[in-house]
Amino acid sequence: KNQVEQSPQSLIILEGKNCTLQCNYTVSPFSNLRWYKQDTGRGPVSLTIMTFSENTKSNGRYTATLDADTKQSSLHITASQLSDSASYICVVSVPLSFGAGTTVTVRA
Amino acid sequence: GAGVSQSPRYKVAKRGQDVALRCDPISGHVSLFWYQQALGQGPEFLTYFQNEAQLDKSGLPSDRFFAERPEGSVSTLKIQRTQQEDSAVYLCASSPLAVSSYEQYFGPGTRLTVT
Repeated sequence: KNQVEQSPQSLIILEGKNCTLQCNYTVSPFSNLRWYKQDTGRGPVSLTIMTFSENTKSNGRYTATLDADTKQSSLHITASQLSDSASYICVVSVPLSFGAGTTVTVRA
Repeated sequence: GAGVSQSPRYKVAKRGQDVALRCDPISGHVSLFWYQQALGQGPEFLTYFQNEAQLDKSGLPSDRFFAERPEGSVSTLKIQRTQQEDSAVYLCASSPLAVSSYEQYFGPGTRLTVT
């Protein structure tokens, strides 16, 4: 059973709107949690990395939150742009465990 | 500077053929990882090198899969007698430190299609 579950599996949003992606994990022990963005045909690119002591971290229009007690994380995208269309993957370590990703499609 | 590169970017193999996938990590990076990513899924860990030493190969799905990094830089993932279920994108990642929890930098992947 995958130890990192992401939801929704996919979503479509209109340009300029906000959206939130969810990541629940059961990986233990926990070292850090990362969100990656993967464009079609490309390798994943890191957006944020958080340790258990961090609750939130931002990277431009991307804001990640972490609740290590409930083992939940979210990635919030503000004012979405067409270039945000990609798969967003949650990764928890140690050991490295990847979620299946959420495919985001932004439409004009 | 240059990132992680992989070659070829696309490979079509007939069932039963052997294939070799190459990864050029970022210069000086100690750790190198191989992942297999099926369509619509997240990457699945295959194997991990620290310099030339293969410290973890627990993710290799069968003995048809073999990886090496003889000089601690370039790595090759070899798949013998390819099967259709081997069709996937194979991602390589490198990291400057010898701990798997540190940041990893991914290459673009090699898309393998076995017909």
